Amino acid sequence: NAGVTQTPKFRILKIGQSMTLQCAQDMNHNYMYWYRQDPGMGLKLIYYSVGAGITDKGEVPNGYNVSRSTTEDFPLRLELAAPSQTSVYFCASSYDRSTNEKLFFGSGTQLSVL
Amino acid sequence: DQQVKQNSPSLSVQEGRISILNCDYTNSMFDYFLWYKKYPAEGPTFLISISSIKDKNEDGRFTVFLNKSAKHLSLHIVPSQPGDSAVYFCAASAYRYSGGSNYKLTFGKGTLLTVNP
Repeated sequence: NAGVTQTPKFRILKIGQSMTLQCAQDMNHNYMYWYRQDPGMGLKLIYYSVGAGITDKGEVPNGYNVSRSTTEDFPLRLELAAPSQTSVYFCASSYDRSTNEKLFFGSGTQLSVL
Repeated sequence: DQQVKQNSPSLSVQEGRISILNCDYTNSMFDYFLWYKKYPAEGPTFLISISSIKDKNEDGRFTVFLNKSAKHLSLHIVPSQPGDSAVYFCAASAYRYSGGSNYKLTFGKGTLLTVNP
Protein backbone atom coordinates (compact mmCIF):
# COMPACT_ATOMS: atom_id res chain seq x y z
CA ASN A 1 0.00 0.00 0.00
CA ALA A 2 1.80 3.12 -1.26
CA GLY A 3 -0.38 5.67 0.58
CA VAL A 4 0.33 9.23 -0.60
CA THR A 5 2.99 9.55 -3.30
CA GLN A 6 4.60 12.85 -4.22
CA THR A 7 6.88 13.59 -7.17
CA PRO A 8 9.45 14.96 -7.60
CA LYS A 9 11.29 14.80 -4.28
CA PHE A 10 13.57 17.71 -5.15
CA ARG A 11 13.44 20.48 -7.73
CA ILE A 12 15.30 23.69 -8.45
CA LEU A 13 13.48 26.33 -10.48
CA LYS A 14 14.54 29.64 -11.91
CA ILE A 15 12.43 32.70 -11.20
CA GLY A 16 9.48 32.82 -13.58
CA GLN A 17 9.53 29.14 -14.48
CA SER A 18 6.49 26.92 -14.06
CA MET A 19 6.10 23.44 -12.72
CA THR A 20 3.56 20.96 -11.42
CA LEU A 21 3.98 19.04 -8.21
CA GLN A 22 2.32 15.68 -8.49
CA CYS A 23 0.37 13.94 -5.73
CA ALA A 24 -1.45 10.64 -5.87
CA GLN A 25 -3.12 8.52 -3.21
CA ASP A 26 -4.34 4.94 -3.44
CA MET A 27 -6.48 4.86 -0.29
CA ASN A 28 -9.70 6.05 -1.99
CA HIS A 29 -9.68 9.15 0.19
CA ASN A 30 -12.15 11.90 -0.61
CA TYR A 31 -10.19 14.74 0.93
CA MET A 32 -6.81 15.94 -0.29
CA TYR A 33 -4.65 18.86 0.78
CA TRP A 34 -1.50 20.77 -0.09
CA TYR A 35 0.63 22.25 2.66
CA ARG A 36 3.89 24.12 2.59
CA GLN A 37 6.46 24.24 5.36
CA ASP A 38 8.96 27.06 5.46
CA PRO A 39 12.13 26.62 7.54
CA GLY A 40 11.39 26.81 11.27
CA MET A 41 7.68 27.21 10.66
CA GLY A 42 4.57 25.10 10.89
CA LEU A 43 2.66 23.73 7.95
CA LYS A 44 0.35 26.13 6.16
CA LEU A 45 -2.58 25.02 4.02
CA ILE A 46 -2.38 26.12 0.38
CA TYR A 47 -5.38 24.41 -1.24
CA TYR A 48 -7.67 21.53 -0.43
CA SER A 49 -10.24 19.37 -2.18
CA VAL A 50 -13.25 17.57 -0.75
CA GLY A 51 -13.77 15.41 -3.83
CA ALA A 52 -13.21 15.16 -7.55
CA GLY A 53 -14.04 18.44 -9.24
CA ILE A 54 -14.17 20.43 -6.00
CA THR A 55 -11.29 22.56 -4.76
CA ASP A 56 -10.97 25.54 -2.46
CA LYS A 57 -8.35 27.94 -1.17
CA GLY A 58 -6.53 27.47 2.07
CA GLU A 59 -4.50 29.94 4.07
CA VAL A 60 -1.77 30.76 1.50
CA PRO A 61 -3.14 30.14 -2.06
CA ASN A 62 -1.51 33.03 -3.94
CA GLY A 63 0.81 31.89 -6.72
CA TYR A 64 -0.65 28.38 -6.91
CA ASN A 65 -3.39 26.53 -8.73
CA VAL A 66 -4.87 23.08 -8.29
CA SER A 67 -7.19 20.70 -10.04
CA ARG A 68 -8.90 17.49 -8.97
CA SER A 69 -10.11 15.54 -11.98
CA THR A 70 -9.94 12.16 -10.24
CA THR A 71 -10.22 10.92 -6.68
CA GLU A 72 -6.61 9.73 -6.77
CA ASP A 73 -4.72 12.76 -8.10
CA PHE A 74 -4.33 16.31 -6.81
CA PRO A 75 -1.57 18.21 -8.67
CA LEU A 76 -0.32 21.62 -7.52
CA ARG A 77 0.70 24.10 -10.21
CA LEU A 78 3.17 26.97 -9.81
CA GLU A 79 2.81 29.30 -12.79
CA LEU A 80 5.50 31.94 -12.21
CA ALA A 81 7.93 30.71 -9.61
CA ALA A 82 9.20 33.27 -7.09
CA PRO A 83 11.89 32.95 -4.39
CA SER A 84 9.13 33.23 -1.76
CA GLN A 85 7.87 29.85 -2.94
CA THR A 86 11.06 28.13 -1.83
CA SER A 87 9.70 25.62 0.67
CA VAL A 88 8.92 21.99 1.35
CA TYR A 89 5.55 20.99 -0.03
CA PHE A 90 3.46 18.24 1.49
CA CYS A 91 0.41 16.61 0.02
CA ALA A 92 -2.00 14.87 2.38
CA SER A 93 -5.28 13.00 2.24
CA SER A 94 -8.05 11.83 4.52
CA TYR A 95 -11.11 9.65 4.00
CA ASP A 96 -13.70 11.67 5.76
CA ARG A 97 -14.16 14.65 8.00
CA SER A 98 -15.14 13.05 11.25
CA THR A 99 -13.64 14.19 14.50
CA ASN A 100 -11.36 11.19 14.57
CA GLU A 101 -10.11 11.52 11.05
CA LYS A 102 -6.41 12.10 10.60
CA LEU A 103 -4.34 13.20 7.65
CA PHE A 104 -1.92 10.93 5.81
CA PHE A 105 1.04 12.83 4.40
CA GLY A 106 3.35 12.22 1.50
CA SER A 107 7.12 12.46 1.95
CA GLY A 108 7.31 15.97 0.55
CA THR A 109 8.84 17.92 -2.34
CA GLN A 110 11.78 20.20 -1.58
CA LEU A 111 11.52 23.17 -3.97
CA SER A 112 14.11 25.90 -4.38
CA VAL A 113 13.48 28.95 -6.56
CA LEU A 114 16.65 30.81 -7.49
CA ASP B 1 -0.86 35.86 14.47
CA GLN B 2 0.23 32.46 15.64
CA GLN B 3 -2.78 30.56 16.93
CA VAL B 4 -0.87 27.41 17.87
CA LYS B 5 2.38 27.93 19.69
CA GLN B 6 5.15 25.50 20.50
CA ASN B 7 7.53 27.70 22.43
CA SER B 8 10.32 25.18 22.80
CA PRO B 9 12.16 24.70 19.49
CA SER B 10 14.06 21.74 20.92
CA LEU B 11 14.13 19.31 23.83
CA SER B 12 16.77 16.80 24.84
CA VAL B 13 16.12 13.89 27.22
CA GLN B 14 17.82 10.70 28.31
CA GLU B 15 16.59 7.34 27.15
CA GLY B 16 14.10 5.88 29.63
CA ARG B 17 13.06 9.27 31.01
CA ILE B 18 9.86 11.17 30.36
CA SER B 19 9.60 13.61 27.45
CA ILE B 20 7.06 16.42 27.82
CA LEU B 21 6.26 18.52 24.79
CA ASN B 22 4.05 21.55 25.25
CA CYS B 23 1.62 23.40 23.04
CA ASP B 24 -0.48 26.52 23.65
CA TYR B 25 -3.33 27.85 21.57
CA THR B 26 -5.18 31.13 21.44
CA ASN B 27 -8.32 30.36 19.42
CA SER B 28 -11.19 29.42 21.75
CA MET B 29 -13.00 27.72 18.87
CA PHE B 30 -10.37 24.99 18.59
CA ASP B 31 -11.96 21.76 19.76
CA TYR B 32 -9.82 19.01 18.29
CA PHE B 33 -6.09 18.62 18.72
CA LEU B 34 -3.54 16.34 17.13
CA TRP B 35 0.14 15.55 17.46
CA TYR B 36 2.21 14.61 14.44
CA LYS B 37 5.72 13.22 14.37
CA LYS B 38 8.15 13.95 11.57
CA TYR B 39 11.46 12.33 10.72
CA PRO B 40 13.91 14.05 8.35
CA ALA B 41 13.04 13.69 4.65
CA GLU B 42 9.67 12.16 5.51
CA GLY B 43 6.15 13.53 5.79
CA PRO B 44 4.47 14.00 9.17
CA THR B 45 2.75 10.95 10.59
CA PHE B 46 -0.19 11.01 12.94
CA LEU B 47 0.64 10.17 16.54
CA ILE B 48 -2.29 10.87 18.84
CA SER B 49 -5.29 13.17 19.10
CA ILE B 50 -7.73 14.50 21.67
CA SER B 51 -11.15 16.04 21.51
CA SER B 52 -12.07 18.99 23.70
CA ILE B 53 -14.63 16.87 25.52
CA LYS B 54 -11.75 14.93 27.08
CA ASP B 55 -8.80 16.01 29.18
CA LYS B 56 -6.61 12.98 28.58
CA ASN B 57 -6.00 10.42 25.87
CA GLU B 58 -3.52 7.60 26.10
CA ASP B 59 -1.99 5.31 23.51
CA GLY B 60 0.81 3.09 24.71
CA ARG B 61 3.80 5.23 25.69
CA PHE B 62 2.09 8.40 24.46
CA THR B 63 -0.39 10.47 26.49
CA VAL B 64 -1.88 13.80 25.56
CA PHE B 65 -3.30 16.09 28.23
CA LEU B 66 -5.63 18.98 27.49
CA ASN B 67 -6.25 21.92 29.82
CA LYS B 68 -8.99 23.94 28.15
CA SER B 69 -9.08 26.72 30.71
CA ALA B 70 -5.37 27.34 30.17
CA LYS B 71 -5.59 26.65 26.41
CA HIS B 72 -2.70 24.28 26.83
CA LEU B 73 -1.95 20.74 25.82
CA SER B 74 1.03 18.53 26.37
CA LEU B 75 2.36 15.29 24.98
CA HIS B 76 4.04 12.89 27.40
CA ILE B 77 6.27 10.09 26.16
CA VAL B 78 7.16 7.49 28.77
CA PRO B 79 9.66 5.93 28.58
CA SER B 80 11.46 7.85 25.88
CA GLN B 81 13.39 5.86 23.30
CA PRO B 82 16.08 6.94 20.81
CA GLY B 83 13.65 6.14 17.97
CA ASP B 84 11.38 8.88 19.31
CA SER B 85 13.91 11.48 18.17
CA ALA B 86 11.97 13.57 15.65
CA VAL B 87 10.16 16.86 15.20
CA TYR B 88 6.76 16.90 16.90
CA PHE B 89 4.01 19.16 15.58
CA CYS B 90 0.96 20.19 17.51
CA ALA B 91 -2.12 20.92 15.36
CA ALA B 92 -5.62 22.14 16.08
CA SER B 93 -8.93 22.49 14.29
CA ALA B 94 -12.26 24.16 15.00
CA TYR B 95 -14.28 21.11 14.04
CA ARG B 96 -17.71 22.23 15.25
CA TYR B 97 -17.22 25.75 13.88
CA SER B 98 -16.06 24.59 10.45
CA GLY B 99 -19.29 22.91 9.43
CA GLY B 100 -18.08 19.54 10.60
CA SER B 101 -14.80 19.49 8.78
CA ASN B 102 -11.38 19.08 10.31
CA TYR B 103 -9.46 19.89 7.17
CA LYS B 104 -8.35 23.32 8.26
CA LEU B 105 -5.66 22.22 10.64
CA THR B 106 -3.51 24.95 12.18
CA PHE B 107 0.00 23.74 12.97
CA GLY B 108 2.59 24.90 15.45
CA LYS B 109 6.22 25.37 14.44
CA GLY B 110 7.29 22.07 15.92
CA THR B 111 9.65 20.89 18.66
CA LEU B 112 12.74 18.84 17.87
CA LEU B 113 13.00 16.02 20.41
CA THR B 114 16.34 14.31 20.84
CA VAL B 115 16.48 11.19 22.99
CA ASN B 116 20.03 10.35 23.99
CA PRO B 117 21.03 6.71 24.59
